Amino acid sequence: EVQLVESGGGLVQPGGSLRLSCVASGFTFSNYWMGWVRQAPGKGLEWVAIIKQDGREKYYVDSVKGRFTISRDNAKNSLYLQMNSLRADDTAVYYCARPTFDIWGQGTVVTVSS
Amino acid sequence: EIVMTQSPATLSVSPGERATLSCRASQSVTSKLAWYQQKPGQAPRLLIYGASTRATGIPARFSGSGSGTEFTLTISSLQSEDFAVYYCQHYNDWPWTFGQGTKVEIK
Repeated sequence: EVQLVESGGGLVQPGGSLRLSCVASGFTFSNYWMGWVRQAPGKGLEWVAIIKQDGREKYYVDSVKGRFTISRDNAKNSLYLQMNSLRADDTAVYYCARPTFDIWGQGTVVTVSS
Repeated sequence: EIVMTQSPATLSVSPGERATLSCRASQSVTSKLAWYQQKPGQAPRLLIYGASTRATGIPARFSGSGSGTEFTLTISSLQSEDFAVYYCQHYNDWPWTFGQGTKVEIK
């Protein structure tokens, strides 16, 4: 079964850091671009970052540039999102997704609050 | 950044009726357009990609059309499980962006 499972969400204070992880199974992870999408409470969807198969190309939405870093470990079938200098408006459900757009994780909740 | 605008924001439809959802891009996205369905507490589910190709396992009552800047998602005969929020998303260039969503509710 093709599956993405996220972890690492939680409550963090403004200015803090968090690292999200996503483990893939059921497909050849190293063959695909991968990415993160977020959804603020009651709001729409936003692609946050994507990364190429070999990790050498990365793209970020402007609102997270310089604060978030996407990375991957193909040997571990894993995708990561390092989030630094977190702000209240980063509060959201964060989904790991394969940009064939048909495979999504269940999401992990990040809450930035004092 | 390409802005995606969906209309209407809310669509009230009776079961069995046809629903037509619109999505407009601020500049051409060719046919690089996807449609998703999202229910509360769930991840989005891909319905259509390439503007008109149904994803695997998607019923034939869902169809997509359009190219350039104007796109349409049609649900030919609404079933109870189709009441949800629908999003369009372009992937023509980065950043990929979503529309704000259309909520399809029971009339």
